[in-house]
Amino acid sequence: TQLLEQSPQFLSIQEGENLTVYCNSSSVFSSLQWYRQEPGEGPVLLVTVVTGGEVKKLKRLTFQFGDARKDSSLHITAAQPGDTGLYLCAGARNAGNMLTFGGGTRLMVKP
Amino acid sequence: EAQVTQNPRYLITVTGKKLTVTCSQNMNHEYMSWYRQDPGLGLRQIYYSMNVEVTDKGDVPEGYKVSRKEKRNFPLILESPSPNQTSLYFCASRPRQSTSGANVLTFGAGSRLTVL
Repeated sequence: TQLLEQSPQFLSIQEGENLTVYCNSSSVFSSLQWYRQEPGEGPVLLVTVVTGGEVKKLKRLTFQFGDARKDSSLHITAAQPGDTGLYLCAGARNAGNMLTFGGGTRLMVKP
Repeated sequence: EAQVTQNPRYLITVTGKKLTVTCSQNMNHEYMSWYRQDPGLGLRQIYYSMNVEVTDKGDVPEGYKVSRKEKRNFPLILESPSPNQTSLYFCASRPRQSTSGANVLTFGAGSRLTVL
């Protein structure tokens, strides 16, 4: 059982559609990060959320950290083929060493 | 260019033949870590190092060794690889403490290992 559960695992949509990816846990995290990974590359950080209830926007991407700091969501508006990739959430339980990753959501946006 | 470099990028080997995957970073980061990525399981931490000569086990350390003799290098050693170590491996680094207090990692491009 994963500490961080991501859903859905796979998502295939048409260009222009909206989507939301969820990252849920029963544990409290001091911060939560979202990464995007393309084939043949390592994950690249998109955003870090630190405060419960925090909302951050990155162009068409909106990230939210749950009030209790146990969950997060990533919403993409008007998805484009360039958004295709593996999206990973990762939670830190303190400012120390361990990041726990979710299983990932593989997104495909078809033109 | 600031980066984490892993080698080799691809390797096919046989059970029991010792191998080393190298990792080097040019950002003067204190913290380095190794992860393995398997379908549906995300990234699981193998070992990490807070600084030179300081290493600790992550979630899945069995069958692996690491060393941190220099700040820039953090090799991953498989003394006797087995087929269940077939995976995609990532090295990552970060400063000891980022300005935001969060653990912002810079990842290498990955090393795909197949053990027959």
